[in-house]
Amino acid sequence: NAGVTQTPKFRVLKTGQSMTLLCAQDMNHEYMYWYRQDPGMGLRLIHYSVGEGTTAKGEVPDGYNVSRLKKQNFLLGLESAAPSQTSVYFCASSYPPSRTSGRDPSSYEQYFGPGTRLTVT
Amino acid sequence: SQQGEEDPQALSIQEGENATMNCSYKTSINNLQWYRQNSGRGLVHLILIRSNEREKHSGRLRVTLDTSKKSSSLLITASRAADTASYFCATFQGAQKLVFGQGTRLTINP
Repeated sequence: NAGVTQTPKFRVLKTGQSMTLLCAQDMNHEYMYWYRQDPGMGLRLIHYSVGEGTTAKGEVPDGYNVSRLKKQNFLLGLESAAPSQTSVYFCASSYPPSRTSGRDPSSYEQYFGPGTRLTVT
Repeated sequence: SQQGEEDPQALSIQEGENATMNCSYKTSINNLQWYRQNSGRGLVHLILIRSNEREKHSGRLRVTLDTSKKSSSLLITASRAADTASYFCATFQGAQKLVFGQGTRLTINP
């Protein structure tokens, strides 16, 4: 199993450009998350999804959009990039279904991808 | 705002010594998780402790939880150079959102 993968690994954008970050997981997890990590700020949740076709806002959603058309993929879009969006972006997944359904989702660990380093100039 | 706050922000010790990191949180929790992040990598889950547990061990890791003080500690015994990393505590807000602290940066000197 590849676990959680992210593409691309690095990207440089000019202000106003758009791009999409792709996250894929092969663990059949229900929940997927997008975080950004900035120096001294820890990880902050941008958007998350509790299942295919559903998304919800996290702590810092402004300037980002997401889609979860397939269970294994979670896309993060920047429509008009700004220098303030320079950051390292991490995707994570959690909560396997079926046999473990009914258990508290918070009891499951999150599996993280390797990150995407984005610079907006 | 951050649910978990780690202390200290940075810690430097000699190889073989023990390292202790602390985490404080604000609201009631069902459980608390600790993660490790090596430089330039994603986070890796280390251990989860439930609210009805006071202490949990995993190899060289020992985690304690004091729900009355809303605090947790992570002890790494007999530290190794490979333990150099940032360590984060995390708790859930609501049913689905895991909130991370700012982390403790641990450096193990040979």
